[in-house]
Amino acid sequence: QITLKESGPSLVKPTQTLTLTCTFSGFSLSTPGVSVGWIRQPPGKALEWLALIYWDDDKRYRSSLKSRLTITRDTSKSQVVLTMTNVDPLDTATYYCAHSTTPWYDDYWGQGTLVTVSS
Amino acid sequence: DIVMTQTPLSLSVTPGQPASISCKSSESLLHRNGRTYLFWYLQKAGQSPQVLIYEVSSRFSGVPDRFSGSGSGTDFTLKISRVEAEDVGVYYCMQGVHLPRTFGQGTKLEIK
Repeated sequence: QITLKESGPSLVKPTQTLTLTCTFSGFSLSTPGVSVGWIRQPPGKALEWLALIYWDDDKRYRSSLKSRLTITRDTSKSQVVLTMTNVDPLDTATYYCAHSTTPWYDDYWGQGTLVTVSS
Repeated sequence: DIVMTQTPLSLSVTPGQPASISCKSSESLLHRNGRTYLFWYLQKAGQSPQVLIYEVSSRFSGVPDRFSGSGSGTDFTLKISRVEAEDVGVYYCMQGVHLPRTFGQGTKLEIK
């Protein structure tokens, strides 16, 4: 059974760095074809894809946020970490991590974690 | 980035009646490998999105057969043959042919 769970601070101040961790089970990020990605959803708004990391450590980012995002993995801990620098109130959102076995879509999602950016 | 446009943005349906949601993309979602990467998700209240349909018309594991997807190129449709109370939520189309993956604005389905 594939499960993912996001964790991180619920409140971050503007200009700070946000670090989110996705802890997963039921699969290995070393398996060819597997990837883990991050998607966010501002309150009441639509979904926005952010980044993903592949089984071979290849990484992809949303171009508009690329300078602020870093995605890394710790295979031994079954974790993927997303860091976002210089956060702004517009980054307030529920952040989801999700699993994929194809390059085209995410099939299993975590429950999400709400992050509020406010002073 | 590919823009995904859904209509309508909200839908109120009597149980047992059909429902249809349209999704249009700003570019063709046909990949050079011949497959079309259009997906449908349902997000129920307080939950994360769940896959309903992949590659235009294939139902994901466990999805009832009252859900069907169709379309090609840039025009796609999700149909629910007979809406049930458990179908309430926000439906999103998503394209996966190019990164970044992009989603439609969502269509909120309510029960009359």
